[in-house]
Amino acid sequence: KQEVTQIPAALSVPEGENLVLNCSFTDSAIYNLQWFRQDPGKGLTSLLLIQSSQREQTSGRLNASLDKSSGRSTLYIAASQPGDSATYLCAVSSGGSNYKLTFGKGTLLTVNP
Amino acid sequence: GAGVSQSPSNKVTEKGKDVELRCDPISGHTALYWYRQSLGQGLEFLIYFQGNSAPDKSGLPSDRFSAERTGGSVSTLTIQRTQQEDSAVYLCASTQISESYEQYFGPGTRLTVT
Repeated sequence: KQEVTQIPAALSVPEGENLVLNCSFTDSAIYNLQWFRQDPGKGLTSLLLIQSSQREQTSGRLNASLDKSSGRSTLYIAASQPGDSATYLCAVSSGGSNYKLTFGKGTLLTVNP
Repeated sequence: GAGVSQSPSNKVTEKGKDVELRCDPISGHTALYWYRQSLGQGLEFLIYFQGNSAPDKSGLPSDRFSAERTGGSVSTLTIQRTQQEDSAVYLCASTQISESYEQYFGPGTRLTVT
């Protein structure tokens, strides 16, 4: 059974700092990995998707990397801003018959002005 | 374009009552998922619909939960005889069958069972 772990559970940083969020998964036979952002009381916003054959994806100040063999992904946020404050969720799909996502419990990020 | 929409956004119900939650996926997306987000369990898969195939119900927690998808578009999740442990946010996602299988989520329905 796939299990996804995110470290740290919470992170507080001053504005402008670069930061890294970590995600690990127990079964390396994944189809893809998605990083999401969730604001309080809201749904999930997809940030980046990495296919199993890819090593990284970039969007603006965000960069996500994937090391499938070691079961790890990182989300790098450059020059953090107060508007980046949210919960960040990592999810993996193992493909198969339904491509369902298995989620970590998230990292609550607070960027202080 | 329009994203995934869900209704109602909030639902408060008494224990023992039945509730229906609705999801409108992105137009053209043939696959649809329901997930549940609760404080203790995080986000967990409930059910998957793909085209006209039989749904994958492997994540439903009990037989009080059921879902249907009409015309390959709108989906309804029904919870019968609600219990307090059913209180959670119910999220719907859709995807276009393609190489990426990227899932797009709706805003969710917050269900509170009193």
